[in-house]
Amino acid sequence: QVTLRESGPALVKPTQTLTLTCTFSGFSLTTSGMCVSWIRQPPGKALEWLARIDWDNDRHYSTSLKTRLTISKDTSKNQVVLIMTNMDPADTATYYCARTPRTSVGNWFDPWGQGTLVTVSS
Amino acid sequence: SYEVTQTLSVSVALGQTAIITCGGNNIGDKGVHWYQQKPGQAPVLVIYSNTNRPSGIPERFSGSNSGNTATLTISRAQGGDEADYYCQVWHTSVVFGGGTKLTVL
Repeated sequence: QVTLRESGPALVKPTQTLTLTCTFSGFSLTTSGMCVSWIRQPPGKALEWLARIDWDNDRHYSTSLKTRLTISKDTSKNQVVLIMTNMDPADTATYYCARTPRTSVGNWFDPWGQGTLVTVSS
Repeated sequence: SYEVTQTLSVSVALGQTAIITCGGNNIGDKGVHWYQQKPGQAPVLVIYSNTNRPSGIPERFSGSNSGNTATLTISRAQGGDEADYYCQVWHTSVVFGGGTKLTVL
């Protein structure tokens, strides 16, 4: 059974740096074609993809947020870490991680973690 | 940048067929994936690569994609199908639609 779980602070102050950890089980990020992505959802709004890290350590970022994001992995711990700098109240959202198989017919997100709500406020 | 458009809301009578669309320029050339999100829950993949159902998703859920419109069809709609539905494609980056709220009357 594949599971993912996000962890990190529930509250951060403006200008601070956010560090989120995705801990997963049931698959390995050393397997060819396997990736993990981060997606966020502001309250009452749509989904927004943030970043992806691949089994071969290739990294991909949202064009609009790439200067603020860093994604990394620790395969020995089955963890993926997302760092977002210079947090703003507009970054208040539920942050999800999801397994992302990279296939010849596309990339999708399945399954997702339960999500973690991050509020940015002073 | 590439954009996909979804109708804000769709209503369907209990037991009838719901049709949710995702519009984009030549979206028929892309792989479209659909997610169901119930209130307070994480999204769940219901269709991948236009027409494929993950294991555990009822056969009532089906997808198609042609021209400028991809479609998610839910047959024999049930109260448990009430949710937000999002389409997703890849075009130089991941693109999500704005979501469609499905109400079952």
